[in-house]
Amino acid sequence: AQKVTQAQTEISVVEKEDVTLDCVYETRDTTYYLFWYKQPPSGELVFLIRRNSFDEQNEISGRYSWNFQKSTSSFNFTITASQVVDSAVYFCALIRTSGTYKYIFGTGTRLKVLA
Amino acid sequence: DSGVTQTPKHLITATGQRVTLRCSPRSGDLSVYWYQQSLDQGLQFLIQYYNGEERAKGNILERFSAQQFPDLHSELNLSSLELGDSALYFCASQGSEETQYFGPGTRLLVL
Repeated sequence: AQKVTQAQTEISVVEKEDVTLDCVYETRDTTYYLFWYKQPPSGELVFLIRRNSFDEQNEISGRYSWNFQKSTSSFNFTITASQVVDSAVYFCALIRTSGTYKYIFGTGTRLKVLA
Repeated sequence: DSGVTQTPKHLITATGQRVTLRCSPRSGDLSVYWYQQSLDQGLQFLIQYYNGEERAKGNILERFSAQQFPDLHSELNLSSLELGDSALYFCASQGSEETQYFGPGTRLLVL
């Protein structure tokens, strides 16, 4: 079965701190995709990144970075020098494309960045 | 502005009724995804269309149906509505790149 666990329900940090949001997934498939999405207080969803299971390279985009480790089934998201505008709920998701299609979201982590 | 539009923004209806939610993707994007976000179920993928054809199906109830028209806009039809269908419904479009662009959502309240 496929599962995505975001064990951190809520994290609070002070501006300029670094913060890592954890995402642990379960799947027996060798081919899958992992995603991160952001949902700011205004409510809209924003796509952040997609990673396929064959690409374990870490990704950096400005202050955002992602660490994909198949050995630990984790796809963690780090925000460096956090800002108040980073306050949002962040969702991790897994898509299984082989066999029965499955698209599973984690329960989200609410990040509060305090000024 | 993502370039994806959804109408209506808000919808209040009664149990047993039927509603249609509309999504217009970004110009040229062939793929449309539908999602439901509720307090009980969290975020769920419902269905994906690609150039008019159903591409993938998720946790979409039999009371729900969707289609994508030749002009690429998509509609999500929800029938025999129940209180538990109250949720935020998002659509997203995707072109040749991997980025998905989300609409602002339709907030449905079933009374």
